[in-house]
Amino acid sequence: NAGVMQNPRHLVRRRGQEARLRCSPMKGHSHVYWYRQLPEEGLKFMVYLQKENIIDESGMPKERFSAEFPKEGPSILRIQQVVRGDSAAYFCASSPFAEVGEAFFGQGTRLTVV
Amino acid sequence: KNQVEQSPQSLIILEGKNCTLQCNYTVSPFSNLRWYKQDTGRGPVSLTIMTFSENTKSNGRYTATLDADTKQSSLHITASQLSDSASYICVVTSLGGNRKLIWGLGTSLAVNP
Repeated sequence: NAGVMQNPRHLVRRRGQEARLRCSPMKGHSHVYWYRQLPEEGLKFMVYLQKENIIDESGMPKERFSAEFPKEGPSILRIQQVVRGDSAAYFCASSPFAEVGEAFFGQGTRLTVV
Repeated sequence: KNQVEQSPQSLIILEGKNCTLQCNYTVSPFSNLRWYKQDTGRGPVSLTIMTFSENTKSNGRYTATLDADTKQSSLHITASQLSDSASYICVVTSLGGNRKLIWGLGTSLAVNP
């Protein structure tokens, strides 16, 4: 079991471009959580998804951000028209059931907007 | 408001020394409390988890305590090693229909030779 895989590890985008962050959960895990960590700050919950469903998106900005977890393939966090303030580390975690405290984290994607 | 506060914000110790990190929380209702270790540029890794009825839990050189009455937890690191240099994050899970992790900002620990 390779663990939670995120790619790319580093992503550089110019202002106004789109950023797509991918997360492949651990085998057998159908629950995915996305977090954002700004420099010198703690992790902030963004969205919780179960296969094909968004369960809780209370931490997602209302505009430009979207997430999906299709029946087949990885979970995708999409940021449209990126701005400098989107520069952060984005972490994905997965769990085998709806117990967020049992989630395992990926290595993160570090997004830099230039 | 559910909050988790950690102290100190940062700490520098010499290799081989012990240290204790503090965590105070106001999360209610409470489900469990975890300590995570986050190395620079890596994802958090769980060290310990404690529920309401547990007072102490050890994982090698890491020992966590929990006082549910005062809503305080500590993480004690014994005989520190250079590889202990990391951010240590206290996370409280709220109990209820929509369980969420409430994250502290972490204590940045540097272990120097």
